[in-house]
Amino acid sequence: DAKTTQPPSMDCAEGRAANLPCNHSTISGNEYVYWYRQIHSQGPQYIIHGLKNNETNEMASLIITEDRKSSTLILPHATLRDTAVYYCIVRVGENNDMRFGAGTRLTVKP
Amino acid sequence: DAGVTQSPTHLIKTRGQQVTLRCSPKSGHDTVSWYQQALGQGPQFIFQYYEEEERQRGNFPDRFSGHQFPNYSSELNVNALLLGDSALYLCASSLNDYGYTFGSGTRLTVV
Repeated sequence: DAKTTQPPSMDCAEGRAANLPCNHSTISGNEYVYWYRQIHSQGPQYIIHGLKNNETNEMASLIITEDRKSSTLILPHATLRDTAVYYCIVRVGENNDMRFGAGTRLTVKP
Repeated sequence: DAGVTQSPTHLIKTRGQQVTLRCSPKSGHDTVSWYQQALGQGPQFIFQYYEEEERQRGNFPDRFSGHQFPNYSSELNVNALLLGDSALYLCASSLNDYGYTFGSGTRLTVV
């Protein structure tokens, strides 16, 4: 499975967009990009996933570069409740396991 | 609709003992995965169960074993506990889809 690289921490002002980058330069053609987040002392929460097209849902947008070697998770209007560790994961198909890295600790500040 | 339920929420065991953690998947889900999360680290994949069989396994010793029942619930067993097994143990369920639903975990402390 492809490995991912994320910055260990980021800050964002409340109400502004939070843009969380992820590098996955060794991703294969059949590997999906997933994003999860984990708020302190809770289990990880699914945010969004994509293969090659950009995706948007009620929580966030996922922008995947054309060569698929990197992606960006966008939280359009960050709130204090978005403070969490965000994990970028690449996964082969729907029956493969999720392998988490260290993630990015996002702190949203007032 | 109940999500993933794990029990117990907290547990204290002594080195050398054995422990069993339990997981009830989200309604309609048939696949259960277990993770170990040490303090300050990301979750580490232990194994995944589907159709009552271990389908995939991470880099964990044989002291870690599991089981899945016909109702899709699952148990994680850890034998000969070490201090280093102290962690948050997470269970996740899924059904032929792309998202895992995680429980809140069991906090295991080995003393």
